Amino acid sequence: DIQMTQSPSSLSASVGDRVTITCRASQNIKSHLNWYQQQPGKAPKLLIYAASSLQGGVPSRFSGSGSGTTFTLTISRLQPEDFATYYCQQSHGTPLTFGGGTKVDIK
Amino acid sequence: VQVAESGGGVVQPGGSLRLSCATSGFTFSIYAMHWARQAPGKGLEWVSVILYGDGGDKYYGDSVKGRFTISRDNSKNTVYLQMERLRPDDTAVYYCARGSGYDLDSWGQGTLVTVSS
Repeated sequence: DIQMTQSPSSLSASVGDRVTITCRASQNIKSHLNWYQQQPGKAPKLLIYAASSLQGGVPSRFSGSGSGTTFTLTISRLQPEDFATYYCQQSHGTPLTFGGGTKVDIK
Repeated sequence: VQVAESGGGVVQPGGSLRLSCATSGFTFSIYAMHWARQAPGKGLEWVSVILYGDGGDKYYGDSVKGRFTISRDNSKNTVYLQMERLRPDDTAVYYCARGSGYDLDSWGQGTLVTVSS
């Protein structure tokens, strides 16, 4: 199975900050990487698919990059509604696997 | 796109439960459908997928293989998860999600399954 490792596991940031989250795969997954946002008590929401494609309706302050084994999610200017937990997920093959999550909270 | 899970509840270890996921707002038969779960206070775990069509291929996570069965009824726009030989570590919120292949692009609000004596 492909292991997904996210870092950091948590971070504190202020509104307006630039935030970067890293996800590493245990083997080459090309660009088969998705990012999800989960706000407290809510279902996850797809933000980025295929490593860098923005899902419809997602603000342009979210961006994704990377290929192979290392990927990043960047939030260019953090907004109050962005305080949440973010997960990466490999879509290269089954069993699909998620990273452990990165919780972004208010500094 | 609407996705709504039902069927959760409390079940004893070793018991069975069937979850349902009713959908609307899209052409159900041409999409994959996934189940994922989240144990209390933990991260997301993928459970299963059934690919598009009437006899869609099915795949499972290692921890549920042989105990859970996914199925779909395209006439009812519904996907099911039959769970057998339930264990306490199956306790979680179970989410149903539409799949654009292996991208989970629309999620339901989840249904809680508690396995406890």
